[in-house]
Amino acid sequence: DQQVKQNSPSLSVQEGRISILNCDYTNSMFDYFLWYKKYPAEGPTFLISISSIKDKNEDGRFTVFLNKSAKHLSLHIVPSQPGDSAVYFCAASGKSSGDKLTFGTGTRLAVRP
Amino acid sequence: GAVVSQHPSRVICKSGTSVKIECRSLDFQATTMFWYRQFPKQSLMLMATSNEGSKATYEQGVEKDKFLINHASLTLSTLTVTSAHPEDSSFYICSAIGNVAYNEQFFGPGTRLTVL
Repeated sequence: DQQVKQNSPSLSVQEGRISILNCDYTNSMFDYFLWYKKYPAEGPTFLISISSIKDKNEDGRFTVFLNKSAKHLSLHIVPSQPGDSAVYFCAASGKSSGDKLTFGTGTRLAVRP
Repeated sequence: GAVVSQHPSRVICKSGTSVKIECRSLDFQATTMFWYRQFPKQSLMLMATSNEGSKATYEQGVEKDKFLINHASLTLSTLTVTSAHPEDSSFYICSAIGNVAYNEQFFGPGTRLTVL
């Protein structure tokens, strides 16, 4: 039972353009959402988070949007850079990241120079 | 700050042997540590949650007698894979939360286990 889903296993974007990564969840008890970046054979690195009381959170080139009624969140990266190429995981938890995290299946982003 | 290390980074063992993986918080006290497992091209799956000084809480479907977790101090948790089999081959990642950055999980670099 995959409660957090990332339906696009891969995404290729031209450098300088916008990257949009999507994530859907099914558990309405999730209250806190996070995005992580991961390189092969390394642990995830935290990027940005959002709580359910907000619909947008921005940090530099990264913006996360949350549509709670649709149980959907997205990560926008603009402008995309080749160094952004990695696997991106969305994750959800009950109240904060201190609660156990449920991860999505990941989207591999390739940013072409 | 908030660095989590894992040792070893890579281990190869024979079927039937036991392997211990260490997770350390280097510059903060970790009240809670989580252990995840990731199979190739799949998601990170939570295996168990451990709190310092108490027994770990295992997720459904994870055998607690096979995956022994000890969180003996505020900076160290260990995962022992007992009687390892080839199907236990995976990437094991720990994370820790503690007295820094309220409730944020910091992840270790992971351990690649290959069971022959």
